[in-house]
Amino acid sequence: NAGVTQTPKFQVLKTGQSMTLQCAQDMNHEYMSWYRQDPGMGLRLIHYSVGAGITDQGEVPNGYNVSRSTTEDFPLRLLSAAPSQTSVYFCASSRTRTPGEQYFGPGTRLTVT
Amino acid sequence: AQTVTQSQPEMSVQEAETVTLSCTYDTSESDYYLFWYKQPPSRQMILVIRQEAYKQQNATENRFSVNFQKAAKSFSLKISDSQLGDAAMYFCAYRSGGSSDQFYFGTGTSLTVIP
Repeated sequence: NAGVTQTPKFQVLKTGQSMTLQCAQDMNHEYMSWYRQDPGMGLRLIHYSVGAGITDQGEVPNGYNVSRSTTEDFPLRLLSAAPSQTSVYFCASSRTRTPGEQYFGPGTRLTVT
Repeated sequence: AQTVTQSQPEMSVQEAETVTLSCTYDTSESDYYLFWYKQPPSRQMILVIRQEAYKQQNATENRFSVNFQKAAKSFSLKISDSQLGDAAMYFCAYRSGGSSDQFYFGTGTSLTVIP
């Protein structure tokens, strides 16, 4: 049981480049989400999904796309990287309609130069 | 949207002493869940403790306990017998018990443990 996995752990991009952050979970959780963590700002929700084929925007969705074709995978795409997207990104999953906590991946540190 | 406020950006405690981290939240819901997460330098988010709003009894997990004041919308974390390994960033989080499954996080409190 791997829990929530994220790849890569570190990434450096140039402004304007695109990339996909991968996230997978093996706990059959319906709810998956992406956060970014910046100093002094806690975790801010980018996008989330309550099941395959269903996604919605969070607090800071601009510049990011997501899709959910399977229960297990929830990739986050940066369309055209900007220095303001330099951050640590976390993927998390949980069951829906329960008091359960979110399980987090190890995070991806992204630097955009 | 619900808001979660952690008013102490940094706290410190002597090893073996007790420290309390504060958290307040704003909601109009009656059914919700509250969490404290720990984030050590490894960056991994670790669940410390969970509280269901409908439960009057404060949750306890070994040296960690909460003081849940529903009317005041307050959810503080008490760490007893502090250890060096408790040094981390601590985040308070709120989860709606209604139709939304979103989590809302505070901005975190950085805890230093002084040997």
